Amino acid sequence: DTAVSQTPKYLVTQMGNDKSIKCEQNLGHDTMYWYKQDSKKFLKIMFSYNNKELIINETVPNRFSPKSPDKAHLNLHINSLELGDSAVYFCASSQGESPLHFGNGTRLTVT
Amino acid sequence: GESVGLHLPTLSVQEGDNSIINCAYSNSASDYFIWYKQESGKGPQFIIDIRSNMDKRQGQRVTVLLNKTVKHLSLQIAATQPGDSAVYFCAENARVLGFKTIFGAGTRLFVKA
Repeated sequence: DTAVSQTPKYLVTQMGNDKSIKCEQNLGHDTMYWYKQDSKKFLKIMFSYNNKELIINETVPNRFSPKSPDKAHLNLHINSLELGDSAVYFCASSQGESPLHFGNGTRLTVT
Repeated sequence: GESVGLHLPTLSVQEGDNSIINCAYSNSASDYFIWYKQESGKGPQFIIDIRSNMDKRQGQRVTVLLNKTVKHLSLQIAATQPGDSAVYFCAENARVLGFKTIFGAGTRLFVKA
């Protein structure tokens, strides 16, 4: 079974809409992340939660709001979507300093 | 600023040859380095890692070399196979960075049959 799963896999929406991406991990990890991958494949961290507490918050517009209801879930809500938000968003988890385990991504297209 | 790696270059190798993918990192305080492989339509997957107290680590068909003097990391893949075709990322992590994993720009590896 998939260790880190995120839904939906594809999301096409219009500018100005609000959308959410969900992520769940069944690895028992204590830390979860959201990364954004642009069209040039560059991966940039957005947020990190450790045991439901926000520990990393990069320079991300406040239209992006992560929520962690428990340590196995980390959702990403995006308000007032803009064209520049189009990207692939990856959820990941880790335990301590171990390598990251990634989901398969959500491709967001804003038209 | 924070930066790891080069702008996305491409490496093309013949099946059966050895591949070497290079990466430069900028943070001298980084003490943990990881290589990831990303296939089309999937998330990055862990390949091999190395800590700063080592300069070489071997896995199955892969070897990572770390040169802290010049802040350089390389991934060697022996007997490259078509299934190795992917984008490869180096990443760094450090306690002083709050255990934040910073990724390089990636290298696309093409394996010609």
